[in-house]
Amino acid sequence: GAVVSQHPSRVICKSGTSVKIECRSLDFQATTMFWYRQFPKQSLMLMATSNEGSKATYEQGVEKDKFLINHASLTLSTLTVTSAHPEDSSFYICSARDGSGGNIQYFGAGTRLSVL
Amino acid sequence: AQTVTQSQPEMSVQEAETVTLSCTYDTSESDYYLFWYKQPPSRQMILVIRQEAYKQQNATENRFSVNFQKAAKSFSLKISDSQLGDAAMYFCAYKAGTASKLTFGTGTRLQVTL
Repeated sequence: GAVVSQHPSRVICKSGTSVKIECRSLDFQATTMFWYRQFPKQSLMLMATSNEGSKATYEQGVEKDKFLINHASLTLSTLTVTSAHPEDSSFYICSARDGSGGNIQYFGAGTRLSVL
Repeated sequence: AQTVTQSQPEMSVQEAETVTLSCTYDTSESDYYLFWYKQPPSRQMILVIRQEAYKQQNATENRFSVNFQKAAKSFSLKISDSQLGDAAMYFCAYKAGTASKLTFGTGTRLQVTL
């Protein structure tokens, strides 16, 4: 199946700093990428939908100035958590939709963010 | 709004036995897709199986098969000959045909015992 690479897998940062997470589709072009947040023992919560070359669409309750998303190419989307605080500590997962017409989302391995 | 319900928070199955995970959904759409994803302890989401709503035939992938009951809006996953590696969280997900995003259920944690 298609491969989505997410980096870093784990990051620890100090409160007030910004953290960037990258999501790359390695063997297909992804016109649409998604960013999720997953709390312990819970389901995935969609944060935003990222379309190549346009602004991301954020879900209700997600601060767009807090979680900056850039989808500059068909294979790369980035999520930047700005001025991170301990409550931003979570597991963040990206996925990419195959632009060739498939209706499958392929997922990255996730990033565990810990804000001290 | 579409909703996906997984009523079994936890299930347990003995190795080599068969287990069925339930999923129901609510939608007014006629064109949609249904998926089962597996999330092992590594937390990597893995696609297990998918079903297009317009197809009457139930999807199968090796030991995994679904029972898709469109009228009842039910989409259960059957795992045959369960293996230790099947232990994971299983999420049912829905996608409307014209939409891009997935709606996930709350998940079922499957334990596989010897």
